[in-house]
Amino acid sequence: EPEVTQTPSHQVTQMGQEVILRCVPISNHLYFYWYRQILGQKVEFLVSFYNNEISEKSEIFDDQFSVERPDGSNFTLKIRSTKLEDSAMYFCASSEQINTEAFFGQGTRLTVV
Amino acid sequence: AQRVTQPEKLLSVFKGAPVELKCNYSYSGSPELFWYVQYSRQRLQLLLRHISRESIKGFTADLNKGETSFHLKKPFAQEEDSAMYYCALSPNFGNEKLTFGTGTRLTIIP
Repeated sequence: EPEVTQTPSHQVTQMGQEVILRCVPISNHLYFYWYRQILGQKVEFLVSFYNNEISEKSEIFDDQFSVERPDGSNFTLKIRSTKLEDSAMYFCASSEQINTEAFFGQGTRLTVV
Repeated sequence: AQRVTQPEKLLSVFKGAPVELKCNYSYSGSPELFWYVQYSRQRLQLLLRHISRESIKGFTADLNKGETSFHLKKPFAQEEDSAMYYCALSPNFGNEKLTFGTGTRLTIIP
């Protein structure tokens, strides 16, 4: 069964460093999403991406964040200058259409020290 | 602003007993409501959504607009139902801007 794959599973980075989280969505899916969950808190929407553009983003998704689909398979989330409060589990998801089931990856745990 | 409230962080139920996981929402328009489940060491996955009106793994949920609730129910709990359950709301019948509740950890006691 096709799955959304995220790498790495755990990333430790120093405050102020840039980090790139990678995702391989399911191959025939057209919509891609990033969500995050700070430990003990809710899963929060960050951004959605369709047709090589951001279609929606939340207030959390400020200028420090960017997303890219650099080739036909990868979907990346970049945080330019990480802060301690960026420590969270980051989930990538994809769906065939905007209103069909979104399939989530297993998550990347980002720890900023 | 949209909000989803799951009042119970933890819920323990005996095997064979009925299960009800509560979810209340706040949204001014007509939202779509979802239940997601995360089994131990597995990824978040969709359990059901109100527009499909399906019963998945014996679970059902009815959208009550008057009470702004979308409680998840199952008449007879099974051990494999032990998991984290998240209620979520979409403002536009899609996967964008899903607002999740804090989740309820359901434990089925054998």
